[in-house]
Amino acid sequence: DGGITQSPKYLFRKEGQNVTLSCEQNLNHDAMYWYRQDPGQGLRLIYYSQIVNDFQKGDIAEGYSVSREKKESFPLTVTSAQKNPTAFYLCASNLGSSGANVLTFGAGSRLTVL
Amino acid sequence: SQQGEEDPQALSIQEGENATMNCSYKTSINNLQWYRQNSGRGLVHLILIRSNEREKHSGRLRVTLDTSKKSSSLLITASRAADTASYFCATAPNTGGFKTIFGAGTRLFVKA
Repeated sequence: DGGITQSPKYLFRKEGQNVTLSCEQNLNHDAMYWYRQDPGQGLRLIYYSQIVNDFQKGDIAEGYSVSREKKESFPLTVTSAQKNPTAFYLCASNLGSSGANVLTFGAGSRLTVL
Repeated sequence: SQQGEEDPQALSIQEGENATMNCSYKTSINNLQWYRQNSGRGLVHLILIRSNEREKHSGRLRVTLDTSKKSSSLLITASRAADTASYFCATAPNTGGFKTIFGAGTRLFVKA
């Protein structure tokens, strides 16, 4: 079945540590996205990538980094520079310019800073 | 920045009743989408309405779009306990790019 796989589902981090969240899709989608969701709130865009080896900052990119070396993969690193990283992180993908930009989401990764 | 604003923030109804959620947005759009999120899970796409459409149906869902008022509504008819979830509107601005912008969502609770 096609879809998006995020891992790990739960992650605990000590202050000052970098952590990387994995996102893999087998939908042959060109575009991939990372969103952050805080309790009771909507989704805020961190980074997005329209094609391999290219990505753009979203609205809250500070303290995060990404790479897009393969079409299927778009990992997100939460660095120690992110002051309040505890949140629910959602990866999504779509066809990008060739589609109506309906997003397919992964199941999410919940990061807690101890 | 948040584009859409849903109203109400929370809604509690009895099973069998209809649920109506509203969304307002700020900029011109190509389309507007509604998504559903069960607690602690990813979002699932429900329905998309294009800027040149005024109403769309899918099963028990009815979506309307008023571009002059920059608003949309989602109606769920004959609600079920399984409809309990958060519902988000999302817009694709027609200013270019690929950003889909989400509102804060409406939390719907359907009592059995």
